[in-house]
Parts: sequence; structure tokens; C-alpha cells
Amino acid sequence: DTAVSQTPKYLVTQMGNDKSIKCEQNLGHDTMYWYKQDSKKFLKIMFSYNNKELIINETVPNRFSPKSPDKAHLNLHINSLELGDSAVYFCASSQDEASGGTDTQYFGPGTRLTVL
Amino acid sequence: AQSVAQPEDQVNVAEGNPLTVKCTYSVSGNPYLFWYVQYPNRGLQFLLKYITGDNLVKGSYGFEAEFNKSQTSFHLKKPSALVSDSALYFCAVRANTGGFKTIFGAGTRLFVKA
Repeated sequence: DTAVSQTPKYLVTQMGNDKSIKCEQNLGHDTMYWYKQDSKKFLKIMFSYNNKELIINETVPNRFSPKSPDKAHLNLHINSLELGDSAVYFCASSQDEASGGTDTQYFGPGTRLTVL
Repeated sequence: AQSVAQPEDQVNVAEGNPLTVKCTYSVSGNPYLFWYVQYPNRGLQFLLKYITGDNLVKGSYGFEAEFNKSQTSFHLKKPSALVSDSALYFCAVRANTGGFKTIFGAGTRLFVKA
């Protein structure tokens, strides 16, 4: 049983298109995240939601819009895709220690986005 | 502000030898410290963490890390490296003052040669 799943695994698209990446976790965690990993493997947090509320919103172009329909899902929509958006996007989830968790983040397998 | 530094882009070690992957951090208050490993084309996997207690933390796959408050370091170690340990290792820090932001280091690629 996959703990954190992402779809699609690969996404190849043209500049200017709009695309979405979906993430689901079945761990019962309250917090979910989106990270971007660039070609140099640097991992940068983009967004975090706790109980469907946005709590971290890093300096990310407003073409990126996260949506959390419920606690188990955090989707990422990207408008007007640009070449520089090409990267691997990871979803993760965790449960805060104060809420009975371990603070450990569990990562999805990643979505490799290629913008042509 | 929180920050994490992994000073080595790559660490090379022969199989059977001990390995160390270095990490230093800066955070207000007491830190939550983590090590994660990333194998090719996979997501990050949790290895171990330090929150409080014994400075030597043991984790998965025989790895351990030592928290050193005076040196603000949390180096990852293993007594005897395996070829299968070759991967990308990330150190991460989170302040325990509330909030959910974890900062990851730039990563260190470990290459274990047979």
C-alpha cells in the first residue's frame, strides 16, 4: 500500500500549457507539502497545508496554485508553464509531534515535469 | 533564520570503510534534526532524527548520527559502508518553536566503491 502517491509520474508538455499534479496520502497526516527538486538536486519547499489550510507559501510564482480538497489530498496546478518549471516535484506528508506524530516527512515518488 | 549546510557535494569511500557525511545547522531554539536518503528516481526516505535525549541517534540501515550542540553539527555516520549505500543524502532542520517549515541541505552524494 503506497503511503504517499503522486500522479502522473512523468509529465511532458509545451510551454504555455496548464497542468496539474495530484497527491494523495493514506497515512492520516494533517500536514502536506510540495517541494521542487531542480537539476542540481536542490530541494526547495513550495507550499505546505495543515488540515486543508495554507501555512507555508514560499516565494513561488503565482502561476503555481495548490489546492487541498481534503486532508488527504494536495494538488498542484501550474498555469502558463515555462521552461524553468522543468524539475521533479515531490509531495510529502507528516504529522506534527504535538499532534501525536513524529514530525517525519513521508515523500511521494515524484513527478518529473519536462517543459518543451 | 534556519539554515542547513552540507559542505561536501560528494563523499567517496571504499566498501567496508567507515563513512561520514557532514551537516551543520543554524536555528533559533532547540532543533529537530533529520537525515533523509534519496535513491535514483525515488522520493526521499527517512533515515533518522534527533529531537531530544541521547546525542547519538541510531537509524535505518545501520546509520547513526551524532548531535553536537556546541559545534551545531549533526554528522551522519556508518561504521562499514556498503555499495548499496550509494545515494544522495539530505540533512534537514526544523525549529521546535512551532510552525511546519523544514529546511533541507543541498544534499551530499555518497559513492561507495567495491
